[in-house]
Amino acid sequence: GAVVSQHPSWVICKSGTSVKIECRSLDFQATTMFWYRQFPKKSLMLMATSNEGSKATYEQGVEKDKFLINHASLTLSTLTVTSAHPEDSSFYICSAREGLRAGVNQPQHFGDGTRLSIL
Amino acid sequence: AQSVTQPDIHITVSEGASLELRCNYSYGATPYLFWYVQSPGQGLQLLLKYFSGDTLVQGIKGFEAEFKRSQSSFNLRKPSVHWSDAAEYFCAVGGMNTGFQKLVFGTGTRLLVSP
Repeated sequence: GAVVSQHPSWVICKSGTSVKIECRSLDFQATTMFWYRQFPKKSLMLMATSNEGSKATYEQGVEKDKFLINHASLTLSTLTVTSAHPEDSSFYICSAREGLRAGVNQPQHFGDGTRLSIL
Repeated sequence: AQSVTQPDIHITVSEGASLELRCNYSYGATPYLFWYVQSPGQGLQLLLKYFSGDTLVQGIKGFEAEFKRSQSSFNLRKPSVHWSDAAEYFCAVGGMNTGFQKLVFGTGTRLLVSP
């Protein structure tokens, strides 16, 4: 149980294009999903917290206009990297937390990540 | 502010030998502690978690971790390492201070397993 699917797993695109990454919880409902960025040989940096039906909460220093997050249902959140440039190349990982009630402490379950390469 | 320190960037262990990965945390309230494992090019898999109760926590794949409040530590152990355990291991802390929302990760420890 507690499977999170992330798609695509790898994308290469030209500079200036926009890329959408999907994060789905397959066998549970998640009111909260998280988007992380991981640089090579580095830890995970939380970019934003995505709450179903409301605006995402972005971490300091993360451009909300660059990284658009939509959490339209209890099983799907999307991250769109707009007008991507080579410096946006990275490994992006989403996670989803089980539990519908605020304050219910459940672990985060992670997707397999998306390798984004901007040429 | 909460933080997690994993002092060992990488560790090499012989197959069959025991393993201990260190994790120290700084947190202003009762911490909730996690260990995750990441294989190359993949996401993170939860190994085990500590919320409360017994301070020795059993996880998947034969791993265990012990919460020591006095030392602010949550070290991961395995009695006999297998070659398939080679991966990156991340310790993370979360809890009430962040509304059970955010996790703060350590910088990770890369485990290499020698034959």
